Parts: sequence; structure tokens; C-alpha cells
Amino acid sequence: DAGVIQSPRHEVTEMGQEVTLRCKPISGHNSLFWYRQTMMRGLELLIYFNNNVPIDDSGMPEDRFSAKMPNASFSTLKIQPSEPRDSAVYFCASSLKGGGTEAFFGQGTRLTVV
Amino acid sequence: RKEVEQDPGPFNVPEGATVAFNCTYSNSASQSFFWYRQDCRKEPKLLMSVYSSGNEDGRFTAQLNRASQYISLLIRDSKLSDSATYLCVVPLQENSGNTPLVFGKGTRLSVIA
Repeated sequence: DAGVIQSPRHEVTEMGQEVTLRCKPISGHNSLFWYRQTMMRGLELLIYFNNNVPIDDSGMPEDRFSAKMPNASFSTLKIQPSEPRDSAVYFCASSLKGGGTEAFFGQGTRLTVV
Repeated sequence: RKEVEQDPGPFNVPEGATVAFNCTYSNSASQSFFWYRQDCRKEPKLLMSVYSSGNEDGRFTAQLNRASQYISLLIRDSKLSDSATYLCVVPLQENSGNTPLVFGKGTRLSVIA
């Protein structure tokens, strides 16, 4: 099993540019989560999907952030326009049944906005 | 009150020592609990689930105190390879089939030779 696959692994972009992060969950998992990790705030939940449907996006910082899951095997997190304070590691995770079961994380995308 | 709180550490202990971490959670209805481990510049990975009666896996013991709403992780005979950040995890909502996990900020452990 390939696990959760995220791309790119690293992204350096200039302030104001659009950034798109990609995630392929583990096949058969029906819940997908986007987290952001910083030293100051730890792991923060941004948004999660059940069966491709967004359930709770209250963690999305502001309108510059958007996420989609067009099918069971693909999700994107987009930041437009990006700002230096968006610099963080963005993790995607999937699970068979969101709570009460193990969440498997991708290796993360390390985003630097300069 | 934050949903999950942990002492950030760092805990610096010599090899062979026993070390314990505590974590407090705010949702008294929580039924499931986990400890995840995160190595430097890596993704979090499940270390162990925490059962109501407590559970043990080799050198690792997890215990739950519902009355005080805290979870503990005990590591015996620490190894250099145990150096990592340990994250306490609780589901956002209980009795909901698909709910995300809420992570504490983690406790950093450094085992020194």
C-alpha cells in the first residue's frame, strides 16, 4: 500500500502567488483531513471530508484558503493569494472512519512563502 | 480551555530512564484516545490507542483517568530511538462516525546517551 501521497513535498513561492497542494488518500478510506502544522500552533485541522463531501471548514483561516475533493482519490488545498504567514507544513490524512480509528498521514508539504 | 493540552517539554532523559507524559482533554464525553509519535520533519504516526482499562505495548504503557480527564504515557527503559515528539489525540466529537482527530501540541522527548 502506497499510503497517503502528497505533492509537492516542498514549495517555495512569492507572496501573492497561488499555491495548490495535492493529496491522494489511501484507497478505500472515506475520510480525508487537511491539517497545518507550525511551531506556535501545533497541528490545526483546516477542513475535513467524508465521502468526498466537505463537513467542516471552520478551521480554514480565511477566504484565501479553499479545498476540494472531486473524487474519492484526490483532494486539493489552494491558497490564493499566498502570504508569508501561510508558511507551514501542510498534512493530508485519511482514515477509514474519521474518529476512533487511526488516521494515516502523508509526508506533508513544506510551504514557504517569501 | 483548549481541547487537548500537553506539557511541551522538552524532557531530556538519559538512556534507560523511565519518563511519563500527561495530557488533559476538555470533552468529558470523549471515549477514544490515542498517542501519536512524530519524528523531526516527519509525519505523525500512531503509537498506541488508549483503552479505558489502560494498555501496555512493550516498554510503553498508556493509562486513562476519566475522572480527572487526563491520559498518560509511560516509557520505560528509554532508548535513543525514542527521541521524538509525542502527541496526545482525542476525537473532535464522540459518537459520530466520521469525526476528525484533535491533536495536542506535543511533548518533545530527547533521550541522551
